[in-house]
Amino acid sequence: DIQMTQSPSTLSASVGERVTITCRASQSIGKYLAWYQQKPGRAPKLLIYQASRLETGVPSRFSGSGSGTEFTLTISSLQPDDFATYYCHQCYSYWTFGQGTKVELK
Amino acid sequence: QLVESGGRLVQPGGSLRLSCVVSGFTVTTYEMNWVRQAPGKGLQWVSYTTGSGDTKAYADSVQGRFIISSDNAKNSLYLQMDSLRVDDTAIYYCVTTELWWGRGTLVTVSS
Repeated sequence: DIQMTQSPSTLSASVGERVTITCRASQSIGKYLAWYQQKPGRAPKLLIYQASRLETGVPSRFSGSGSGTEFTLTISSLQPDDFATYYCHQCYSYWTFGQGTKVELK
Repeated sequence: QLVESGGRLVQPGGSLRLSCVVSGFTVTTYEMNWVRQAPGKGLQWVSYTTGSGDTKAYADSVQGRFIISSDNAKNSLYLQMDSLRVDDTAIYYCVTTELWWGRGTLVTVSS
């Protein structure tokens, strides 16, 4: 099974800050990686697919990069609506998810 | 659109069948998955099926207890869950390989 290691588990930041979340795969997954945002009581919301493609309707302050085993989600300027939990998701070989990163107000 | 249903409170050892009604596409032409999320926990893949049903896969934790299937006539995906355990308690989501998600249905296994 492919393991996904996501860091940090918690991130404290202020509005306007640049935020970076990292995900590492236990083996190469090419660009078969997605990022989600999840708020309490809601289903995950797709932000990025194929490592760097922005889902329709997602603000451009969100971006994804990486390939192989190292991936990054960046929020260029954190907004009040962005405080949530974020997950990476490999869809190369069956599916596994990162443990999640909770972005909270500093 | 994907709409899950069938979740409820069930005793350990019991059975449940979850449904996911699909609209906007034909369920048997898409690869589909079930993903679950235990209360306060992360996301866990549960099961996968090709549109034709010729290939299915299960997480180790549910292998031999859960069965995934689909019905073209009802345009629905199912998850038959037997020998349920307390640690199967979760919200269950149906998800396409295009990463379209339903809103989920809550399964609670408790005595």
